[in-house]
Amino acid sequence: VQLQESGPGLVKPSETLSLTCAVSGGSIRSDSYYWTWIRQPAGKGLEWIGRVYASGSTSHNPSLKSRVTISIDTSKTHFSLNLTSVTAADTAVYYCARDFLGKFDSWGQGALVTVSS
Amino acid sequence: DIQMTQSPSSLSASVGDRVTITCQASQDISNYLNWYQQKPGKPPNLVISDASNLETGVPSRFSGSGSGTDFTFTISSLQPEDIATYYCQQYADLRPITFGQGTRLELK
Repeated sequence: VQLQESGPGLVKPSETLSLTCAVSGGSIRSDSYYWTWIRQPAGKGLEWIGRVYASGSTSHNPSLKSRVTISIDTSKTHFSLNLTSVTAADTAVYYCARDFLGKFDSWGQGALVTVSS
Repeated sequence: DIQMTQSPSSLSASVGDRVTITCQASQDISNYLNWYQQKPGKPPNLVISDASNLETGVPSRFSGSGSGTDFTFTISSLQPEDIATYYCQQYADLRPITFGQGTRLELK
């Protein structure tokens, strides 16, 4: 399976960050996997943002409070991330990944998103 | 949240050395522990799952052990291509899934 992130590389403070992950070479409808977003600020570690199941059920990191929405479009084979009210602290490389039983076994190449006016 | 503490934060070793990284969980996570290798500019790559299972295609010089709160990741004979940052990750608690802070491995 291949995953590819896409979306704006620059977002203004207080606005909404929106990214899409296109999934190919495997079925996004499979009930074996969750589809996940993870981010990594420059020079820092990995932070799990949240995940979505084919049914549309989601969970997210409580640290991001209610700013995160993750959705899935199984007909178009992609899933998406919206992060509202962004600040400079949200500047990071955003990865989408496939979650198989808690293991992230396939990753996109990452999308750098910078929050700046 | 379950806190994952890796040590050391950075490590310098020579080709052929045995390298060991530890990861400690703030509470019992059984064997719900994975290890990733990340090279600069690349996404992480799953190396060890469920504390000790070597992923397909990963060289046998890599190994993992442990359960409960204490885990070890070992490279038996360091190769130049192993230079990377390594992360542990727990999935015993899914809200949230958490990672260690990383161990940067450098060549001496």
